[in-house]
Amino acid sequence: RKEVEQDPGPFNVPEGATVAFNCTYSNSASQSFFWYRQDCRKEPKLLMSVYSSGNEDGRFTAQLNRASQYISLLIRDSKLSDSATYLCVVNLPNFNKFYFGSGTKLNVKP
Amino acid sequence: EAQVTQNPRYLITVTGKKLTVTCSQNMNHEYMSWYRQDPGLGLRQIYYSMNVEVTDKGDVPEGYKVSRKEKRNFPLILESPSPNQTSLYFCASSLIEGTYEQYFGPGTRLTVT
Repeated sequence: RKEVEQDPGPFNVPEGATVAFNCTYSNSASQSFFWYRQDCRKEPKLLMSVYSSGNEDGRFTAQLNRASQYISLLIRDSKLSDSATYLCVVNLPNFNKFYFGSGTKLNVKP
Repeated sequence: EAQVTQNPRYLITVTGKKLTVTCSQNMNHEYMSWYRQDPGLGLRQIYYSMNVEVTDKGDVPEGYKVSRKEKRNFPLILESPSPNQTSLYFCASSLIEGTYEQYFGPGTRLTVT
């Protein structure tokens, strides 16, 4: 069983749409949670950390549900520039290992 | 400029020929890590290091070695590369406090024939 699972997509949405991605993790002891963005085989870059209370950064909202062991990312008012692959990442306690989902591809179309 | 650098960026080699991929960061980060990325599998952690002289295995360490003699450098060594090590490799670094944001290098595309 994979540590982190994501729907690979692709999600094809028009500009201005709202789109949501979910990610599930298997280890209940996971400590820290992140969403990274990766453009076309370039290096991943942190989009946002995910906090227990949920957090928002502009058009992006991240939620954590520890009971059900899933993380979500909501993108409002999608832009063409949001087209990328979104990676869900979890970190085990003691900050040693990181587990990445295989990514969800988003295509925002004009 | 704060960055993680990797060299080489592209490498084609033959089975069994030892190679080293270098990784260097200028942010004084304690934590460094190597990942490989393969289609459909996402990034998988090969080795990580919490600080100088402290290294540990990730999920896919077989066929790889690392060393951390200096804080800024974390080379990845393939003693006897095989075709199943053809992949895209990323080095990353992070502080071990605060947001734990990992900064990634630009990647090394390795082909082993």
